[in-house]
Amino acid sequence: EVQLVESGGGLVKPGGSLRLSCAASGFSFSSYSMNWVRQAPGKGLEWVSSISTTSDYRYYADSLKGRFTISRDNAKNSLYLQMNSLRAEDTAVYYCARDAGYCSGGSCSLAAFDIWGQGTMVTVSS
Amino acid sequence: QSALTQPASVSGSPGQSITISCTGTSSDVGDYNYVSWYQQHPGKAPKLMIYDVSNRPSGVSNRFSGSKSGNTASLTISGLQAEDEADYYCNSYTSSSTVVFGGGTKLTVL
Repeated sequence: EVQLVESGGGLVKPGGSLRLSCAASGFSFSSYSMNWVRQAPGKGLEWVSSISTTSDYRYYADSLKGRFTISRDNAKNSLYLQMNSLRAEDTAVYYCARDAGYCSGGSCSLAAFDIWGQGTMVTVSS
Repeated sequence: QSALTQPASVSGSPGQSITISCTGTSSDVGDYNYVSWYQQHPGKAPKLMIYDVSNRPSGVSNRFSGSKSGNTASLTISGLQAEDEADYYCNSYTSSSTVVFGGGTKLTVL
């Protein structure tokens, strides 16, 4: 079964750090770009970051201002998000999502997230 | 990196058709055919419904269709069913190689 399972969420004080993990199974993890997407309570989806298959390319939402770092370990089929200097506004469910990369006629899709984890809750509060 | 603009809510009766719009800029929706749509039921992870403006992943009902004109993409759901009631989000690839989501639209089936 194709699956993504996030872990590492929890309660952290403002200014603290947290490292999220996403374990992939059932597919060739190293062949797909991966993403983190978050959703604050009662709010919409917000893209956080993406990483290419070999980690050569990493992109972040402007709002993060360098506080988050995305990484992956293809040997361990795992995706990570290191979050530093956490703020109350970072409180959200964090999802990892696979970029489907549907290909046809020599071109492939972008930003089509076909597999999502169940999410892990991060609460930033004193 | 402003969010794409979606109506906050839409509604329709069973059997009817509805359309949800998603308006961006010439740096995202208008410049690329990389617009996707997602369905999210309460407490669940989003589900991909449309990718590359108008393509359906395997297993998604053909009642769901997508289109784009200029800076605005649209999702149409025909033959509305009770189980279509959910939140819907669009996203787009951008000229900065990032991704931007819409604010989301709550669909109510009357």
